[in-house]
Amino acid sequence: DAEITQSPRHKITETGRQVTLACHQTWNHNNMFWYRQDLGHGLRLIHYSYGVQDTNKGEVSDGYSVSRSNTEDLPLTLESAASSQTSVYFCASSEFSASTPGGDEQFFGPGTRLTVL
Amino acid sequence: GEDVEQSLFLSVREGDSSVINCTYTDSSSTYLYWYKQEPGAGLQLLTYIFSNMDMKQDQRLTVLLNKKDKHLSLRIADTQTGDSAIYFCAESIVGKLIFGQGTELSVKP
Repeated sequence: DAEITQSPRHKITETGRQVTLACHQTWNHNNMFWYRQDLGHGLRLIHYSYGVQDTNKGEVSDGYSVSRSNTEDLPLTLESAASSQTSVYFCASSEFSASTPGGDEQFFGPGTRLTVL
Repeated sequence: GEDVEQSLFLSVREGDSSVINCTYTDSSSTYLYWYKQEPGAGLQLLTYIFSNMDMKQDQRLTVLLNKKDKHLSLRIADTQTGDSAIYFCAESIVGKLIFGQGTELSVKP
């Protein structure tokens, strides 16, 4: 069965360190997304990609970067981790089609809980 | 601007109906979604409604859409303890989803 996985599931790091969170999907979807989830804010979009070599900034992109070298993976990098980046991070993928029932339904990974000390 | 609003908490008794409300701002949204998040897990699509529909029913779930007021609701009939979760509404804008803050539903036996 197709799936979307994230690793690690839990990570503790120190302020100033570089951290990379992995996201891998076997849906063969063109679209991939990174969100962070914080109490009272729901899910906020960090970065997204509509295909290989395409990346775009979301509403909370400062301090984060992504790269898309293949269809399956969209790693999220925190260049210099800050305590404000302590959060739960979700990766999602979709294959937008206006003719498909459900349109741009996104499929979510299980999340990565990141703590920055 | 894009903004989706939900109340944060709802508590009901087992067997009652639950109604979770959501307001959105972008009238060009093609689809509106309801996602469910169980503790420690990612989000799963619960149901969706196309923007030219007023209502959609799927077993115990009823979605109502009022485009004039930009109001979306999710009704869960005969709510069970297994329905306890966080429910997110989301609007679709050019392939991106804008989520509300999530409503935590607590079902008491």
